[in-house]
Amino acid sequence: EAGVAQSPRYKIIEKRQSVAFWCNPISGHATLYWYQQILGQGPKLLIQFQNNGVVDDSQLPKDRFSAERLKGVDSTLKIQPAKLEDSAVYLCASSWGAGAGETQYFGPGTRLLVL
Amino acid sequence: AQKITQTQPGMFVQEKEAVTLDCTYDTSDQSYGLFWYKQPSSGEMIFLIYQGSYDEQNATEGRYSLNFQKARKSANLVISASQLGDSAMYFCAMREGRGTGNQFYFGTGTSLTVIP
Repeated sequence: EAGVAQSPRYKIIEKRQSVAFWCNPISGHATLYWYQQILGQGPKLLIQFQNNGVVDDSQLPKDRFSAERLKGVDSTLKIQPAKLEDSAVYLCASSWGAGAGETQYFGPGTRLLVL
Repeated sequence: AQKITQTQPGMFVQEKEAVTLDCTYDTSDQSYGLFWYKQPSSGEMIFLIYQGSYDEQNATEGRYSLNFQKARKSANLVISASQLGDSAMYFCAMREGRGTGNQFYFGTGTSLTVIP
């Protein structure tokens, strides 16, 4: 079974530029998550989708971050414009559902450096 | 209050020895799940082990076991017979059981170094 796919793996941009990340979850997984992980910290949830609907985006900086999952499968996360503090690893994860016992499986992440 | 607390920023263990990584959690829910993930320097979060709040037996997966003490709200990870490849960051996480918007809460992680 293929795991969670993410691209690109690395991205370097200058501040005020825009960037987009792509995620393809494990086949059949209804729930998809985007996390931001700053160096030395645990992952912080940015947004959670259930199929193509948003379940939780309370920690998404909506003035600059946006995410979509139009057909309930792939998802994109965009930052526009980027700030220096956006430098982090962006992790995508998926799970069958969102119950207490549902394990999240993570992709390899995208390392973003904003100069 | 922190949902997940990992008090050990860094741990060292001799190869082939056992090591315990501490995790305490805070929830008022009766239904919740506890998870441990490993994050090597490559960055990917690798699922290790799961314990449900209603599970009476401690979970085990190969060399990994979860020491679940419900009354103390602790979920410590025990790695037996440590290997050099176990050197990584380890994160404890919890998901509460309310509805479909059940967020994962991660701890701050413990960096484990296995010494040859």
